[in-house]
Amino acid sequence: SAVISQKPSRDICQRGTSLTIQCQVDSQVTMMFWYRQQPGQSLTLIATANQGSEATYESGFVIDKFPISRPNLTFSTLTVSNMSPEDSSIYLCSVEVGLAADTQYFGPGTRLTVL
Amino acid sequence: AQTVTQSQPEMSVQEAETVTLSCTYDTSENNYYLFWYKQPPSRQMILVIRQEAYKQQNATENRFSVNFQKAAKSFSLKISDSQLGDTAMYFCAFMNPDGGKLIFGQGTELSVKP
Repeated sequence: SAVISQKPSRDICQRGTSLTIQCQVDSQVTMMFWYRQQPGQSLTLIATANQGSEATYESGFVIDKFPISRPNLTFSTLTVSNMSPEDSSIYLCSVEVGLAADTQYFGPGTRLTVL
Repeated sequence: AQTVTQSQPEMSVQEAETVTLSCTYDTSENNYYLFWYKQPPSRQMILVIRQEAYKQQNATENRFSVNFQKAAKSFSLKISDSQLGDTAMYFCAFMNPDGGKLIFGQGTELSVKP
C-alpha cells in the first residue's frame, strides 16, 4: 500500500475564491488521481495526473476550473477555482500501487465548504 | 460504458452476525478488477478487498469475502462476525485492466447494532 496525506483536511471558503489542495505520497508513483464526492453521493473521477505531462480530465471537468499540477512522482495539487456553493464536496486523491499498478489507495480527503 | 449498481442504500446487522452487500456491474470486457471500499464517518476510503476477474477463486480477507459470479456480473461482499467498527458506507468499484479510472456504485450504508 502507500501512505498518502492531504492538506488541508477541511476548509470553509467564500464564493469566487480558489483553494489549492495538496496530495503527498510516501513513495514514487506513476499515476495519481483526483476524485470528487458531493454530499451524499459516490465518488467521481475529476482527472488523472501524470508526472511530466498535462492532466487528463473526465467529461464534465475542465482545466480552467480544476487546474492540476504534478511536479514530481510523489506530489500533486488540485485547485478548485472561482468556487461556488456547488463545489462543496470532499476531494480525494488516490494513487495506483501494486505489481500491476492495479489497486488504488486513497488519501484522507479534503472537506470543502463554499459559502 | 461500464456501470456499477448497488441496490441496497441501507442495511443493518446485529453485532457478531453475518451480512451480505450486493453489487452488480455491466461491462463488455473480459478482464478487469473489482473492489470493495469502506468509508467510515472519518471519510477515509479504505480498501477492503480486491478481485481479479480472470481468477475463479473468490477473494478473502479475514472476515471479509466475496461471491464473484462473472457470468451474472455480480460481486457481493460478505462480512462475517460483524463488529461495531464495520459501521460505514461500503462502495463497490470497477476498474478496466489497463488501470486508471475507478467506477463506483452508489454505496450501501451499513449499520452494525450492538
